[in-house]
Amino acid sequence: EAQVTQNPRYLITVTGKKLTVTCSQNMNHEYMSWYRQDPGLGLRQIYYSMNVEVTDKGDVPEGYKVSRKEKRNFPLILESPSPNQTSLYFCASSPTDPYYNEQFFGPGTRLTVL
Amino acid sequence: KQEVTQIPAALSVPEGENLVLNCSFTDSAIYNLQWFRQDPGKGLTSLLLIQSSQREQTSGRLNASLDKSSGRSTLYIAASQPGDSATYLCAVGEGTSYGKLTFGQGTILTVHP
Repeated sequence: EAQVTQNPRYLITVTGKKLTVTCSQNMNHEYMSWYRQDPGLGLRQIYYSMNVEVTDKGDVPEGYKVSRKEKRNFPLILESPSPNQTSLYFCASSPTDPYYNEQFFGPGTRLTVL
Repeated sequence: KQEVTQIPAALSVPEGENLVLNCSFTDSAIYNLQWFRQDPGKGLTSLLLIQSSQREQTSGRLNASLDKSSGRSTLYIAASQPGDSATYLCAVGEGTSYGKLTFGQGTILTVHP
């Protein structure tokens, strides 16, 4: 089944404890991105990747890192999480050109930082 | 800065009704517009994608239209069913960041039997 998977789905952690949220897609998509969803603010783009080893910032990149060493994986890294990073996180992927193809989203990761 | 607004914020209808969800955007320089549904715990599901050069797209009971010049899109749902209950999100693809989607706040739809 073609899908975008995220792990973990739920995570409660404490301030300052490094964590990684994994994202994997099995559709051979070149484009991947991360969004966070917050009440009243909607979904906002954090980072995106056009292809392996090519990443760039979205609207709200502060406090996050990403890497794209393999085409299928695009992990989101929080080096020192803070309470304001408590949010619902979504990974998305799209074939070569996201302007002409629909984007597929993962099931989401609900993160709570205490 | 692109802003996307969805009206109404919430809608409750009896089963069988036809309904329209509205989406407006402030900057007409978009590449595409995509409608999603969001179910609790299940992420976002893509419903329809309309390219900027297209006027509408249809999938089953769903029909989405796009009027780029006026900055509007509508999602028409025919013969609504309780299983259609979800949050519907409109998102425009724009060029400020490659592949970026700018989302509206969503319309919470409840279809009651």
